[in-house]
Amino acid sequence: GNSVTQMEGPVTLSEEAFLTINCTYTATGYPSLFWYVQYPGEGLQLLLKATKADDKGSNKGFEATYRKETTSFHLEKGSVQVSDSAVYFCALSESSSNTGKLIFGQGTTLQVKP
Amino acid sequence: DAGVTQSPTHLIKTRGQHVTLRCSPISGHKSVSWYQQVLGQGPQFIFQYYEKEERGRGNFPDRFSARQFPNYSSELNVNALLLGDSALYLCASSLKWGGYEQYFGPGTRLTVT
Repeated sequence: GNSVTQMEGPVTLSEEAFLTINCTYTATGYPSLFWYVQYPGEGLQLLLKATKADDKGSNKGFEATYRKETTSFHLEKGSVQVSDSAVYFCALSESSSNTGKLIFGQGTTLQVKP
Repeated sequence: DAGVTQSPTHLIKTRGQHVTLRCSPISGHKSVSWYQQVLGQGPQFIFQYYEKEERGRGNFPDRFSARQFPNYSSELNVNALLLGDSALYLCASSLKWGGYEQYFGPGTRLTVT
């Protein structure tokens, strides 16, 4: 079945460091790919998306490129801030089932220290 | 515009009881999905509704049921609660069913004792 795998956390960085959170997926067809962020005690916020191969999603300095050849959608940011500390979820939206249900990775916790 | 709203925020129930969780989607959105998020894991899909009809169901027992109302709000019902049902229940809305992006509410934290 379809699945998403994220790098293990926590990821601990100093402020202004470069961030990469790896995400790979297994899916039939052509899923849409998403990154969501969850701050402590809150629901999920859509961070960015990409709907087809080679698309680059970007928002608030974060970006990710849909790589079909490597089945990856890695999240990057050039300079992280303390306020970026949160749990990041990679997800795919199934295209074959027509429900659009989201399949999530296990989440990666990011801790940014001043 | 208001985002997705859910009620209640927190809930404590005893094993064997029944619970009803409520969700109001973003204005103009006609599809609602429900997810269960156990601590430390990613959300798991439970149901998706569009135009009051069930469009998808995840791998959850029949104790879980849901419905969508004419105003597109939704309820998730869980019968015969088990300790393992303790989780954050998230509602997400989207314009339509299918591959449209989903926007999540703050969730309802259910604790079963």
